[in-house]
Amino acid sequence: ILNVEQSPQSLHVQEGDSTNFTCSFPSSNFYALHWYRWETAKSPEALFVMTLNGDEKKKGRISATLNTKEGYSYLYIKGSQPEDSATYLCAPHNYGQNFVFGPGTRLSVLP
Amino acid sequence: DAEITQSPRHKITETGRQVTLACHQTWNHNNMFWYRQDLGHGLRLIHYSYGVHDTNKGEVSDGYSVSRSNTEDLPLTLESAASSQTSVYFCASSESRGSYNEQFFGPGTRLTVL
Repeated sequence: ILNVEQSPQSLHVQEGDSTNFTCSFPSSNFYALHWYRWETAKSPEALFVMTLNGDEKKKGRISATLNTKEGYSYLYIKGSQPEDSATYLCAPHNYGQNFVFGPGTRLSVLP
Repeated sequence: DAEITQSPRHKITETGRQVTLACHQTWNHNNMFWYRQDLGHGLRLIHYSYGVHDTNKGEVSDGYSVSRSNTEDLPLTLESAASSQTSVYFCASSESRGSYNEQFFGPGTRLTVL
């Protein structure tokens, strides 16, 4: 089972601040990494899937980068809004194997 | 629209009872998964299935079982509920094995074992 770490565990920022957090995973046999956004009382929803070293994906104010050689991915949120408040999960997986979800980073954006 | 549903949404039961949580998807996905969500652990995989009559154990399978008799459904059974199984349970599905396909999640079932 992959050992997946996410940091920080939780984060409080003011509306308008930009922020970023980290997902760390074993770099050997890497296949793909997914980022999910999980709002309270809802189901996790997929943000990005990333596969190649150096990949960069963007959706609105949220972007992510991937470094498969050193085993990490960053998620960035530019100009945080209260509606960005959620837990952000990363889920790397090796080929033919299941996702392993990290413990998540809980983001609170204060108005 | 295709969707994935879970029932019941909330369940309270007693220690030692058998409990079955339902998961139904209309995506026609081959893969289905059951996770439990606990504070500090994120989502942990209980059981999964890659197709009809296929079932596999996940990270935290003790005390749980599943069966897959058709594409749409993967019920999760707690044979003899224990207080340690109080949790929120999520069902998910995805299109095919060994691909980049995202998993789609159901709304969750909150189970309390007294």
